[in-house]
Amino acid sequence: GAGVSQTPSNKVTEKGKYVELRCDPISGHTALYWYRQSLGQGPEFLIYFQGTGAADDSGLPNDRFFAVRPEGSVSTLKIQRTERGDSAMYLCASSLGTSGANVLTFGAGSRLTVL
Amino acid sequence: QKEVEQDPGPLSVPEGAIVSLNCTYSNSAFQYFMWYRQYSRKGPELLMYTYSSGNKEDGRFTAQVDKSSKYISLFIRDSQPSDSATYLCAMTARGRGANNLFFGTGTRLTVIP
Repeated sequence: GAGVSQTPSNKVTEKGKYVELRCDPISGHTALYWYRQSLGQGPEFLIYFQGTGAADDSGLPNDRFFAVRPEGSVSTLKIQRTERGDSAMYLCASSLGTSGANVLTFGAGSRLTVL
Repeated sequence: QKEVEQDPGPLSVPEGAIVSLNCTYSNSAFQYFMWYRQYSRKGPELLMYTYSSGNKEDGRFTAQVDKSSKYISLFIRDSQPSDSATYLCAMTARGRGANNLFFGTGTRLTVIP
């Protein structure tokens, strides 16, 4: 596609529920990133995929968070047993991933609210 | 201490003013420096990108990097109401494993007509 597409744009859920957030990167971009942005803060790195594999998941806060990219394109961020502290904007970005410049193109984000 | 420090503002200026936005950082391995603009309820969009030290100009925007002081700046000349947004600095190191950006908290700018 022309840009990075994220769905849903807004998700409201109850504490303890399971949530999936989807990211469709720019066609041809091999690198895909998930970031989390809390209100009034800059984005914080969660996980990075190069192709189908998670090359760096050091930013995932705990084992309730998991992400997959089974065919090297669309990625899903999965959050189990959601907590109120998980409320944030979840941003996906993609890049060509062929240089150290890491010029990322971000999607509009999925805003998660955990009640 | 955070790796990247940025004054969150908010910053309000009259239309036509020169705006100066700044970030400091602690990791001397950072080599690539970016400024992103983020409108309300949108994802960040890349505004300027600079490698290592020096200046880069693009229209009304100038990015400066001073690696010796670990200090970067973004200048906006002849500011317009459409420049009202949050400006995020971001940076990353070079080489293997340097795959994620470190962001500042963002400075919220309002340009008053």
